[in-house]
Amino acid sequence: GQQVMQIPQYQHVQEGEDFTTYCNSSTTLSNIQWYKQRPGGHPVFLIQLVKSGEVKKQKRLTFQFGEAKKNSSLHITATQTTDVGTYFCAGPAGNNRKLIWGLGTSLAVNP
Amino acid sequence: DAGVTQSPTHLIKTRGQHVTLRCSPISGHKSVSWYQQVLGQGPQFIFQYYEKEERGRGNFPDRFSARQFPNYSSELNVNALLLGDSALYLCASSLGRASYEQYFGPGTRLTVT
Repeated sequence: GQQVMQIPQYQHVQEGEDFTTYCNSSTTLSNIQWYKQRPGGHPVFLIQLVKSGEVKKQKRLTFQFGEAKKNSSLHITATQTTDVGTYFCAGPAGNNRKLIWGLGTSLAVNP
Repeated sequence: DAGVTQSPTHLIKTRGQHVTLRCSPISGHKSVSWYQQVLGQGPQFIFQYYEKEERGRGNFPDRFSARQFPNYSSELNVNALLLGDSALYLCASSLGRASYEQYFGPGTRLTVT
């Protein structure tokens, strides 16, 4: 069945360093969504990408959607301790009846 | 406006029992999805309801059922609880189909002993 994979599973950085997580789908996606889940919290919607090759920025966060609409990345510039959490990508199944989620990338930031 | 609300926040049940979890979506949202999240993993899709009809179902046994009410709130029912059902159960509301961005409630932490 359709799968969404994320790498790396964990990332430990020093505050101020950059961070990137990658998301790959086994099938073409109509859109890709990114969520952040803080420890003990619930997923919070960050952004949705729809167009092939789309790039969107939110302050220090840059999101990209691949040309083939099968992969995506999230890049954080100059990480801060507030960036700690697990970042998930999710894409609709082919019939748009459910979201398929990656396993997430857990980010730890040393102050 | 209030966000997505879920009740109860925590629940402890024993094997074989039944549980009902409740969710109220954001005002104006007609779609509710249920997810199960085991520690260290991503949310696993259980059901989506839109306009009171089931629109999507994940790979969960028939012990799991749900429904959506005329006010768009929803219930998730799990029968014959197993130890493996222990998880965080998340409800998410959205404007439309599952492809729309999801807004999550705080979840219900279910522990089965």
